[in-house]
Amino acid sequence: KNEVEQSPQNLTAQEGEFITINCSYSVGISALHWLQQHPGGGIVSLFMLSSGKKKHGRLIATINIQEKHSSLHITASHPRDSAVYICAVNTGNQFYFGTGTSLTVIP
Amino acid sequence: DVKVTQSSRYLVKRTGEKVFLECVQDMDHENMFWYRQDPGLGLRLIYFSYDVKMKEKGDIPEGYSVSREKKERFSLILESASTNQTSMYLCASSFARNYGYTFGSGTRLTVV
Repeated sequence: KNEVEQSPQNLTAQEGEFITINCSYSVGISALHWLQQHPGGGIVSLFMLSSGKKKHGRLIATINIQEKHSSLHITASHPRDSAVYICAVNTGNQFYFGTGTSLTVIP
Repeated sequence: DVKVTQSSRYLVKRTGEKVFLECVQDMDHENMFWYRQDPGLGLRLIYFSYDVKMKEKGDIPEGYSVSREKKERFSLILESASTNQTSMYLCASSFARNYGYTFGSGTRLTVV
């Protein structure tokens, strides 16, 4: 049983499309993180959320605590957005990670 | 910016070798973690440390050990490498338990 489920697992989009990646979790959390992993392997943190919505450039992350669900949106997608996006939740004691969504944006 | 540096990006080792993966962070973080990442399995916690000379087993510690002699350095040791330890290894650090993580660039280890 996975504490964090992401969908879709793989996603291919045309440049300019609006993209949504979903994350559902089953544990109580203190915060939810969206991470980005580029093909080289390094991971960077995009957002840390405990409620509501955050926006950074073309990226928007939302969370619904009651429904235990978060979404990551990318507006006007670009080939450089191609990466694996990982949802992670912090229960206060430990992190649980989703298996990632592999996004490919085609020019 | 916090930096977490993993000493090697790519490593190829032979079965039975003793392997050291080094991780250094430069922001005086208390907590350090070692994960491995495999396709379809996501990130799985191997070991973590909340203080110098302190270590705790994660979800998949078998076949691994760790060392934290100094606050900034957390080493992952494969006592006798096996082919099922071929994986991407990621080190992370954080200021405290409820803070975000900073990840290293990863070490892709291949055991032949």
